[in-house]
Amino acid sequence: DAKTTQPTSMDCAEGRAANLPCNHSTISGNEYVYWYRQIHSQGPQYIIHGLKNNETNEMASLIITEDRKSSTLILPHATLRDTAVYYCIVRLGFNKFYFGSGTKLNVKP
Amino acid sequence: EPEVTQTPSHQVTQMGQEVILRCVPISNHLYFYWYRQILGQKVEFLVSFYNNEISEKSEIFDDQFSVERPDGSNFTLKIRSTKLEDSAMYFCASSSRDHYNEQFFGPGTRLTVL
Repeated sequence: DAKTTQPTSMDCAEGRAANLPCNHSTISGNEYVYWYRQIHSQGPQYIIHGLKNNETNEMASLIITEDRKSSTLILPHATLRDTAVYYCIVRLGFNKFYFGSGTKLNVKP
Repeated sequence: EPEVTQTPSHQVTQMGQEVILRCVPISNHLYFYWYRQILGQKVEFLVSFYNNEISEKSEIFDDQFSVERPDGSNFTLKIRSTKLEDSAMYFCASSSRDHYNEQFFGPGTRLTVL
C-alpha cells in the first residue's frame, strides 16, 4: 500500500508562498495524489488532486515530479486562515483514503 | 452552498451501550464514508458505502460497527457495544458520481465513552 511522508510542521510568512512537500515513493502508476487540510478539529477539506500532470485550482497548485515519487502543494499567497494540518494522501482502494500524519502549517503575520 | 451535516455534535455514552451517529450527506451524492479521529491522532478511514452496500472497510470496522442508509437522506453509523477506545471524533463524508475523489466532510460528532 502506498503511504506518504511529510514534514511534521512548517512555518510560512503571511502573503508568501507556502510549499508543502510530500514523498510517496511507493505510489503505483494509476494512483492519484490528493491533498486535504484540516483546520482545528473541523472535518477535512479537499484542496486538489492529480495523477502526473501539474494541477492548479482556485486554492492551490500541485506539482508532481516526473517519476511521481514526490509532490509539492503550493499555496501561492498564504493567509492566516491557511493555518491548518495539510494531508498528502494516496488512495488505497477505490475510495479508501490513508491520511497519514500531515504537515502542520503555521502562517505567521 | 450544500454541506454535510452530522448529529449530534457531541455524544456521551456509557461503555457497553449502543450509539447511532447520524449524517445527512449532500443530496445528489452517491458515495458515503465514515472516518474517525482519536484526539491528537490521524484521521482513520472506517468504511465507504455505495449503492446501498459497503464498498470498502478498514480493519477498524469490525462486527461492532454497522452502517445504514435508512432512507433517501440519512446515513448512519452504529456502534453496538461501545468501548473506551471508541472515544473519538467521527466524520461523515460524501462525494458525487462525477467527482468521487472530492470528498466533502461534515463537522463531526465527538463521541465520549465513559
